[in-house]
Amino acid sequence: DQQVKQNSPSLSVQEGRISILNCDYTNSMFDYFLWYKKYPAEGPTFLISISSIKDKNEDGRFTVFLNKSAKHLSLHIVPSQPGDSAVYFCAASVDNNNDMRFGAGTRLTVKP
Amino acid sequence: EADIYQTPRYLVIGTGKKITLECSQTMGHDKMYWYQQDPGMELHLIHYSYGVNSTEKGDLSSESTVSRIRTEHFPLTLESARPSHTSQYLCASSSFGATDTQYFGPGTRLTVL
Repeated sequence: DQQVKQNSPSLSVQEGRISILNCDYTNSMFDYFLWYKKYPAEGPTFLISISSIKDKNEDGRFTVFLNKSAKHLSLHIVPSQPGDSAVYFCAASVDNNNDMRFGAGTRLTVKP
Repeated sequence: EADIYQTPRYLVIGTGKKITLECSQTMGHDKMYWYQQDPGMELHLIHYSYGVNSTEKGDLSSESTVSRIRTEHFPLTLESARPSHTSQYLCASSSFGATDTQYFGPGTRLTVL
């Protein structure tokens, strides 16, 4: 069963605008959430994370928001840059165990 | 920057061949993982290891096997490759700690004809 879902397979935004990538999860036991970015022919690279005790974490242009009641998290990129074009994966885990679940990814295209 | 390496990056082989996908990390991480990913799909954990001589199966059933004789090395072996094994294989590692940030290698894209 897919416990982490990214329902938008693709997203296209204009350079300089905000990109919002969404992720939903079903397992209320998840307590740690991560976003990874993946370029073609490369492995995923860690981008930003958030613990369930927080509802927001910011790192430069990247902000992750967590809504535990809705079991929803989102990644905001502002301003978006062409170099941000990649596939973004949402991931979640329980109590730092090995069973990290990944979404299917959203392909972001930032147009110049 | 993560120092985790996978070889080969691309492999095309015939059915029935035995193959080993290599994964090495220089970060001293105890935990290592193998994921399988098909295009447009989520990553599925197929094997993981807590440390030397520790190997466990992940949530996705796989006909592959792994070994962990050294901390830095976590090879994956397919005894007899089949077309259904065609996929991308991603290796990752992480340290024991409060957070579970996994660092990924570049992946091996395997095609079995």
